[in-house]
Amino acid sequence: GAVVSQHPSRVICKSGTSVKIECRSLDFQATTMFWYRQFPKKSLMLMATSNEGSKATYEQGVEKDKFLINHASLTLSTLTVTSAHPEDSSFYICSADRDYYNEQFFGPGTRLTVL
Amino acid sequence: GENVEQHPSTLSVQEGDSAVIKCTYSDSASNYFPWYKQELGKRPQLIIDIRSNVGEKKDQRIAVTLNKTAKHFSLHITETQPEDSAVYFCAARGYGGSQGNLIFGKGTKLSVKP
Repeated sequence: GAVVSQHPSRVICKSGTSVKIECRSLDFQATTMFWYRQFPKKSLMLMATSNEGSKATYEQGVEKDKFLINHASLTLSTLTVTSAHPEDSSFYICSADRDYYNEQFFGPGTRLTVL
Repeated sequence: GENVEQHPSTLSVQEGDSAVIKCTYSDSASNYFPWYKQELGKRPQLIIDIRSNVGEKKDQRIAVTLNKTAKHFSLHITETQPEDSAVYFCAARGYGGSQGNLIFGKGTKLSVKP
C-alpha cells in the first residue's frame, strides 16, 4: 500500500514549451500533495502545496504562473512547467499525504531537461 | 517557522559497524519526525518515523530516538551493510489538524565500506 506514481519519469523538451507532470496516489486518498524540486546532491526544496479542490500554496520565490498546479481529485495532482527554460532543468518529485495517517509518500520523480 | 539541522553531512563506516545521524529542530509544536532513505536517482523512501508521544522506536536494524525537551532526534543503524549506502533525510512537521508540510534536513550521505 501507499504507492505514489509520477509520470513521465523523464522528459526532454525544447526551450519555450510547456511540460505537464502527473502525480497519482494509487491506493489511498490524498487531500494534500506536495511538489519538490531537487538539485544534484541537495535536499528537497518544497515548491508548493497542492490541496484538492482549492488553489495551491506556493513557497516564497516560486512563480505560480510558471509552475501551474492543479489538484482535481483526491488521487491526482499535476504540475505544468510553462514556457520552460534551461534553468528549469531539474529533478521534480511529488509526494502525497495519506489522509488520517500523517505519513507522506514520494513519487519516483521526473527528470526534466530543457534544451 | 520550523528549521531542521542535520549532521553529519557525510558519514563513512565499515560494514558491520553502527551509524548514527542526528537532527535538531526549532519548532516545539512539531510532533512528527520521519526519516527517508534516498538512493541515487530514486525517490525518498520512508524508513521509520516517530511521533512525539514516544521516545524511541525500533524496526529491525534501524531505530529512532526523540528528545522533545532538547528538540533533537536521531537515526541509529546497527550492523550496517553496503546496501545501507544512500542519502538519509530527517524531517519534522506538526501533526493533526493543520498538518503543514515536512521540513527536511540537508541530508547525510552514508557510505558503508565492505
